[in-house]
Amino acid sequence: NAGVMQNPRHLVRRRGQEARLRCSPMKGHSHVYWYRQLPEEGLKFMVYLQKENIIDESGMPKERFSAEFPKEGPSILRIQQVVRGDSAAYFCASSPRTRANTGELFFGEGSRLTVL
Amino acid sequence: AQTVTQSQPEMSVQEAETVTLSCTYDTSENNYYLFWYKQPPSRQMILVIRQEAYKQQNATENRFSVNFQKAAKSFSLKISDSQLGDTAMYFCAFMNLHSGGGADGLTFGKGTHLIIQP
Repeated sequence: NAGVMQNPRHLVRRRGQEARLRCSPMKGHSHVYWYRQLPEEGLKFMVYLQKENIIDESGMPKERFSAEFPKEGPSILRIQQVVRGDSAAYFCASSPRTRANTGELFFGEGSRLTVL
Repeated sequence: AQTVTQSQPEMSVQEAETVTLSCTYDTSENNYYLFWYKQPPSRQMILVIRQEAYKQQNATENRFSVNFQKAAKSFSLKISDSQLGDTAMYFCAFMNLHSGGGADGLTFGKGTHLIIQP
């Protein structure tokens, strides 16, 4: 059973470009979470999605950032007009519906975004 | 809002020694989970151990155990017989039980970089 898959692992963008990060949850998992990790920091919650629904996006900046988890395909975290401050590691995690309230999240290996 | 504090940015011990990583948290909630996650150089977050706040018994997983002091809001991780492979960042995390995830879900501390010396 494959784990949470994130791609790309590394992404380099120039200021003003768009970044798209993808996350395929573990098989059978319907809950996806995105976290951002700045250097020397812990993970900060961004958004929580179920299939086709955004449940909580209170941790996501109001501008330039968006997330989706369509019925088919991976979850996408999209950052428009990137700035240097967006440089970070972005982690996706998933959990199965039946254990959604246990806090047991399964993390991907992260996508490291570098903005030049 | 919950906060999680890890006061030790870095620790270094010799292989086979026992090491304790500290974590304190602040919350007004009564039902919650606490976690320790490990992040090795590969950067993948790996769940080490989990503690339900309503359980008095401290959780243990092989060489890993916790000292959960609910009144003091303290949740330390003890690693016995440390191994070179234990070298990693260790993050303490808190989750409000009723939220089911999201902004009141996992709140992480800033981490402790643990180095196991041969």
